[in-house]
Amino acid sequence: DTGVSQDPRHKITKRGQNVTFRCDPISEHNRLYWYRQTLGQGPEFLTYFQNEAQLEKSRLLSDRFSAERPKGSFSTLEIQRTEQGDSAMYLCASSASGRYNSPLHFGNGTRLTVT
Amino acid sequence: AQSVSQHNHHVILSEAASLELGCNYSYGGTVNLFWYVQYPGQHLQLLLKYFSGDPLVKGIKGFEAEFIKSKFSFNLRKPSVQWSDTAEYFCAVNALPSNAGKSTFGDGTTLTVKP
Repeated sequence: DTGVSQDPRHKITKRGQNVTFRCDPISEHNRLYWYRQTLGQGPEFLTYFQNEAQLEKSRLLSDRFSAERPKGSFSTLEIQRTEQGDSAMYLCASSASGRYNSPLHFGNGTRLTVT
Repeated sequence: AQSVSQHNHHVILSEAASLELGCNYSYGGTVNLFWYVQYPGQHLQLLLKYFSGDPLVKGIKGFEAEFIKSKFSFNLRKPSVQWSDTAEYFCAVNALPSNAGKSTFGDGTTLTVKP
């Protein structure tokens, strides 16, 4: 279990620029989740994949956000035309599917700062 | 939609004191319940989970939690805290029958243990 890895750890960008984050889940996990966390709050669900299929998106995920998991392995989260309100920690998690909801395994996150 | 409430935002204890962190959720159906912990500089990791059966569940590092269905609560306890328990603690709920593993998190409780 090499854990969930996210890249980059930190990203500073100017308002209006596009950014892309990458997540590599635990290899045997077929579910992958993106969450967003702001200071003083818990993680908020954005979207999740089962294999390569994106099965659910939160209403928090505006049309400026897009996520992909092209081969059911790594995933990318892109934010277009960033706004200052997008500044947050973006967390990726993975889990194994099964009868019961398996716990989430989180990465260290990507901290986005929009100036 | 379900929600999770953690009553204490910041708890400060001396070593060897007993700990209880409150967690209440709002959802009338069957739930899976989790406590996650985030130590300084580390990623979120699972502390313990409840799926079914004995409502008193034990986790790592001497933590336990009790599911009280009638109170919609899942409080975290530890009889004697250590300085190394300083961390942020998050309660999370998965609403069933959804098997997506999508968790709703509380806003977290920061625990500071004084040596």
